[in-house]
Amino acid sequence: KAGVTQTPRYLIKTRGQQVTLSCSPISGHRSVSWYQQTPGQGLQFLFEYFSETQRNKGNFPGRFSGRQFSNSRSEMNVSTLELGDSALYLCASSFRDTDYGYTFGSGTRLTVV
Amino acid sequence: AQSVTQLGSHVSVSEGALVLLRCNYSSSVPPYLFWYVQYPNQGLQLLLKYTSAATLVKGINGFEAEFKKSETSFHLTKPSAHMSDAAEYFCAVSDGSGNTGKLIFGQGTTLQVKP
Repeated sequence: KAGVTQTPRYLIKTRGQQVTLSCSPISGHRSVSWYQQTPGQGLQFLFEYFSETQRNKGNFPGRFSGRQFSNSRSEMNVSTLELGDSALYLCASSFRDTDYGYTFGSGTRLTVV
Repeated sequence: AQSVTQLGSHVSVSEGALVLLRCNYSSSVPPYLFWYVQYPNQGLQLLLKYTSAATLVKGINGFEAEFKKSETSFHLTKPSAHMSDAAEYFCAVSDGSGNTGKLIFGQGTTLQVKP
């Protein structure tokens, strides 16, 4: 079956712009989580959605937001981009929760210039 | 709050040698523990997970890990390293409640396999 699909794979944006990243989970998966990966901070949890509701949130500023649609696809948005937002953004999906494990996508590499 | 410490940011072994990657966790509740592997320019692949069943967990590609509550450890091992094992490995913990998608990751260990 198809894995977790993230689009686009690479993105270059200018400081101050906003960006939207997309994640299509594995068919039947209802939980989608987002992580930011940087060399300095490592992997940090952004937020998690389950059945269109945000179920958990990490310690990121309000510029980072997300949503989940009825088909479980998820988007995350970053407004007013800063240079420090340059990172690999990873999406992970699960049937329900940690019990079932999370499958990660290949990520979106965002570069802010 | 949960936390994970991976001892050694870089581990180098010879092909065919034992692989041992160390992970210690801190959790106020029974934890769920995971090992993921990341190859360059790719996402994370689940190697194995501990969810309070057997303490010795077998995963993919010949890897296994043992949950030791007394030592708060969950070290990853593989009896014989292969060149294809060269990658970055992450240990992660969740709060064990099962109903959250939040994983806390360690800083990662880069495994180098020498021919």
